[in-house]
Amino acid sequence: EPEVTQTPSHQVTQMGQEVILRCVPISNHLYFYWYRQILGQKVEFLVSFYNNEISEKSEIFDDQFSVERPDGSNFTLKIRSTKLEDSAMYFCASSRDSTGSVPSFGPGTRLTVT
Amino acid sequence: AQSVAQPEDQVNVAEGNPLTVKCTYSVSGNPYLFWYVQYPNRGLQFLLKYITGDNLVKGSYGFEAEFNKSQTSFHLKKPSALVSDSALYFCAGGGYGGSQGNLIFGKGTKLSVKP
Repeated sequence: EPEVTQTPSHQVTQMGQEVILRCVPISNHLYFYWYRQILGQKVEFLVSFYNNEISEKSEIFDDQFSVERPDGSNFTLKIRSTKLEDSAMYFCASSRDSTGSVPSFGPGTRLTVT
Repeated sequence: AQSVAQPEDQVNVAEGNPLTVKCTYSVSGNPYLFWYVQYPNRGLQFLLKYITGDNLVKGSYGFEAEFNKSQTSFHLKKPSALVSDSALYFCAGGGYGGSQGNLIFGKGTKLSVKP
């Protein structure tokens, strides 16, 4: 069964550095999402992406964040200048359409900002 | 404001006993609701969903959940727990007709099944 994949599994970076988290959604999916889970807290929606543009974003997704689908397979989340509070597990998800199909989640990238 | 609540941080069950993991919701319109399970160092695995239709939804690994509109609940159940069911369970939901990817998650409930 096809799965969403994410790389790296763990990223350690220094405060102020830029990081790019990578995801390969399921190939016939059209909608892509990023979520994050700060340790011990709930999973929070960051952004949804469709047709090469952001369709929805949360308050968390400020100017420090950006998403991109640079080619036909990858979907990336960039954090421009990381802060300590960006340390979290970041989950990528994809779905075939916006209603009716279930978002499939990747295994996550654990980002640690020191 | 829309929300999904899981009132229990942890549920402890003996193997072979029935289990219930509770979830209540407050979403606009007709809700769609999901249960996901997370094993250590793994992503979120889909268990089951309710969008429309029968209130009793059957999912993977013998789990089921009942949508109760009057109580705004969507509790996860299994008749006979296995040790391998031990994991973190998340209830998630959103408003029907809206973007299904923009899910609101509960805080998660850790299920511990002892032999």
